[in-house]
Amino acid sequence: DQQVKQNSPSLSVQEGRISILNCDYTNSMFDYFLWYKKYPAEGPTFLISISSIKDKNEDGRFTVFLNKSAKHLSLHIVPSQPGDSAVYFCAASGRSGNTGKLIFGQGTTLQVKP
Amino acid sequence: KAGVTQTPRYLIKTRGQQVTLSCSPISGHRSVSWYQQTPGQGLQFLFEYFSETQRNKGNFPGRFSGRQFSNSRSEMNVSTLELGDSALYLCASRSGSSTDTQYFGPGTRLTVL
Repeated sequence: DQQVKQNSPSLSVQEGRISILNCDYTNSMFDYFLWYKKYPAEGPTFLISISSIKDKNEDGRFTVFLNKSAKHLSLHIVPSQPGDSAVYFCAASGRSGNTGKLIFGQGTTLQVKP
Repeated sequence: KAGVTQTPRYLIKTRGQQVTLSCSPISGHRSVSWYQQTPGQGLQFLFEYFSETQRNKGNFPGRFSGRQFSNSRSEMNVSTLELGDSALYLCASRSGSSTDTQYFGPGTRLTVL
């Protein structure tokens, strides 16, 4: 039972353009969402998060949008840079229970071409 | 602040053996969570410890266990290793408040032969 889904295994964009990574979830109890970036043989690096009381959060080149009615979130990277090439994971938790349990999607490999 | 550290970084064991992995959280963080990453199953939650108590547990067999010490350092143990236990084991720490973020260590790559 895949509660968090990233339906696109890979995405390729040109340097300077926008990268849009998508994530869907099924559990309506999730109220906190995060995006992580991961390079091979390293641990995930936190990028940005959003609480369910918001529909948008921005941090520099990274913006996360949350559509609760559609149970969908997306990560926008503008402008994309070659160093952004990595695997991106979205994750969700039911924070109201103050839990350290994150449910991860399967990841999307982003390639940014120079 | 130093990040989350995990030791060892790489480990090779044979089937039937047991293994202990160690995690030192970010200073001041009281919660430590463990995850297993495999190509087939992705990143899966194993368990969380907070103030030396297991607070959450994922769907893994009892061969997977953990503990946390008074200084918040954590260990996880896998007994009677199986080939399918080969994976990257990741530890993450957070302060323990309701709105904080988990920060991950570099992981321990376990290979079971």
